[in-house]
Amino acid sequence: GQNIDQPTEMTATEGAIVQINCTYQTSGFNGLFWYQQHAGEAPTFLSYNVLDGLEEKGRFSSFLSRSKGYSYLLLKELQMKDSASYLCAVLDSNYQLIWGAGTKLIIKP
Amino acid sequence: IAGITQAPTSQILAAGRRMTLRCTQDMRHNAMYWYRQDLGLGLRLIHYSNTAGTTGKGEVPDGYSVSRANTDDFPLTLASAVPSQTSVYFCASSDETGNTGELFFGEGSRLTVL
Repeated sequence: GQNIDQPTEMTATEGAIVQINCTYQTSGFNGLFWYQQHAGEAPTFLSYNVLDGLEEKGRFSSFLSRSKGYSYLLLKELQMKDSASYLCAVLDSNYQLIWGAGTKLIIKP
Repeated sequence: IAGITQAPTSQILAAGRRMTLRCTQDMRHNAMYWYRQDLGLGLRLIHYSNTAGTTGKGEVPDGYSVSRANTDDFPLTLASAVPSQTSVYFCASSDETGNTGELFFGEGSRLTVL
């Protein structure tokens, strides 16, 4: 079956760096998305990776290794507003989006 | 503000009742989607539409129906609600078909079936 694995919950300190991992086993691969979802709100797009390597966008970076079935989202200079769930989603060979259950990130002062 | 509007925001419904969740977008996106989000699970696709006049089944379509009479509207109907349909429902749209583009989500409709 197809599977996306992310840690359920992580805690980090304001101003620090945190890495949220996502591993996937899917039938084919056509890209990987990261979305941010604040509690009670809609998911919003963060990043899209289709080639191996690191994509940097301000305080957020996303890395992909297709051979390892692995991605991570790196958040630097953490702010309290970064407290949210982070959703990893993979586009399989049929262009179906397979979603992980999300990682709840708690930022402490 | 441009985007996706869902209604109602929240609803409590008796089992067996019929319910339609409304979704309207003003971005002229071709593709639209309905997802449900349950605690501990990833978003699950219910139905989708790649363009006005066409619809398709997602991962969990049973008990739900959709229509796409025009580009802007994509209502989701529960013909006879059951408690297992208690969930948060998100409508989404994309400028690109085939899930290849960024998804824009509505604010969600929280449905409780008793």
